[in-house]
Amino acid sequence: EPEVTQTPSHQVTQMGQEVILRCVPISNHLYFYWYRQILGQKVEFLVSFYNNEISEKSEIFDDQFSVERPDGSNFTLKIRSTKLEDSAMYFCASSVSSGQLYGYTFGSGTRLTVV
Amino acid sequence: DQQVKQNSPSLSVQEGRISILNCDYTNSMFDYFLWYKKYPAEGPTFLISISSIKDKNEDGRFTVFLNKSAKHLSLHIVPSQPGDSAVYFCAASPRAQKLVFGQGTRLTINP
Repeated sequence: EPEVTQTPSHQVTQMGQEVILRCVPISNHLYFYWYRQILGQKVEFLVSFYNNEISEKSEIFDDQFSVERPDGSNFTLKIRSTKLEDSAMYFCASSVSSGQLYGYTFGSGTRLTVV
Repeated sequence: DQQVKQNSPSLSVQEGRISILNCDYTNSMFDYFLWYKKYPAEGPTFLISISSIKDKNEDGRFTVFLNKSAKHLSLHIVPSQPGDSAVYFCAASPRAQKLVFGQGTRLTINP
């Protein structure tokens, strides 16, 4: 079964450093998403991306965050200057269409720890 | 932001019995509702969805019911199996784009 692949599975970084979280969505999917889950809290939407541009973003997704699809396969989330409160599980997801009848496919996540 | 609420943090059910997980929402603009299952150290896995024009959708052992007037949906699993033990998330979608998740319910199936 096709998978969404995320790397690394765990990243530890110092406060103020830049991090790039990487994702390889399913190959025929057109819509890409980042979500995060702070420990003990809900899964929260960060950003959706379609046709090489952001289609929607949440209040969390401020100027410190950016997304990119640098080639035909990767989808990245960059945090420019990490803060302690950015520590969370970050999930990438992709879907073949914007309709939700078939849901998204999520990756296994990257655990980001900011120290 | 409590647009999607799962009021039961945990549920314990005997193997073979029916598991019923509940979810309430407040936003009338939601037009799709989904259930995801999550194991530790994995991402959420899509289970079943329903659009707001329906009141029931069934897929094997899983049935989702939607009561729009009450802004309530439920997931029924029957019969429950040990492999169903996981955290279940209800999610809702406005305009078929982003998902708004509930807090999750940890389901434990006892042999």
